[in-house]
Amino acid sequence: EVQLVESGGGLVQPGGSLRLSCAASGFTFSSYEMNWVRQAPGKGLEWVSYISSSGSTIYYADSVKGRFTISRDNAKNSLYLQMNSLRAEDTAVYYCASSRLLGWFDPWGQGTLVTVSS
Amino acid sequence: QSVLTQPPSASGTPGQRVTISCSGSSSNIGSNYVYWYQQLPGTAPKLLIYRNNQRPSGVPDRFSGSKSGTSASLAISGLRSEDEADYYCAAWDDSLSGGVVFGGGTKLTVL
Repeated sequence: EVQLVESGGGLVQPGGSLRLSCAASGFTFSSYEMNWVRQAPGKGLEWVSYISSSGSTIYYADSVKGRFTISRDNAKNSLYLQMNSLRAEDTAVYYCASSRLLGWFDPWGQGTLVTVSS
Repeated sequence: QSVLTQPPSASGTPGQRVTISCSGSSSNIGSNYVYWYQQLPGTAPKLLIYRNNQRPSGVPDRFSGSKSGTSASLAISGLRSEDEADYYCAAWDDSLSGGVVFGGGTKLTVL
């Protein structure tokens, strides 16, 4: 069964850091592009970042550029999101999702909640 | 506001056909594939349509997608109560900032 499981969310103060992880199983992780997509409470979906299967190509949304870093470890079937200088507006459920083309997200993990508050 | 424009709400009765529109520009829908996602209450989104009009295995053929110019549509025929959900369109944007852009989402209510 194809599965993505996020972890690492929690409560952090403004200006703080957090590292999210996404563990993949049931498919050849190293062959797939990966993304992070977030959803603020009661709001719509917002794409955050993309990384190619080899890790050589990376894209970020303007809202997180310079603060967030996406990475992957194909040997560990894992995707990461290092989030620094967190702001209240970064509060959201963060989903990892695999892709075959830009914009194609399937499947999705169950999400992990990040709350930025003092 | 979102780069792609969707109506905030839509509704229909069981058995009806409903369409949800998604309007963009030449840098996104006009030059790239459109994807549609369904998000049932309290769950993660699920891919519904890929490459404008293709259905993943397991998605009923009641769901169909189309694209024309800088707009796209999702049609749901034979509406069922379990279709009540939020629906989002998405596409890659070729503009300077780039990235994947989503519509604001459409909440579908089955009356």
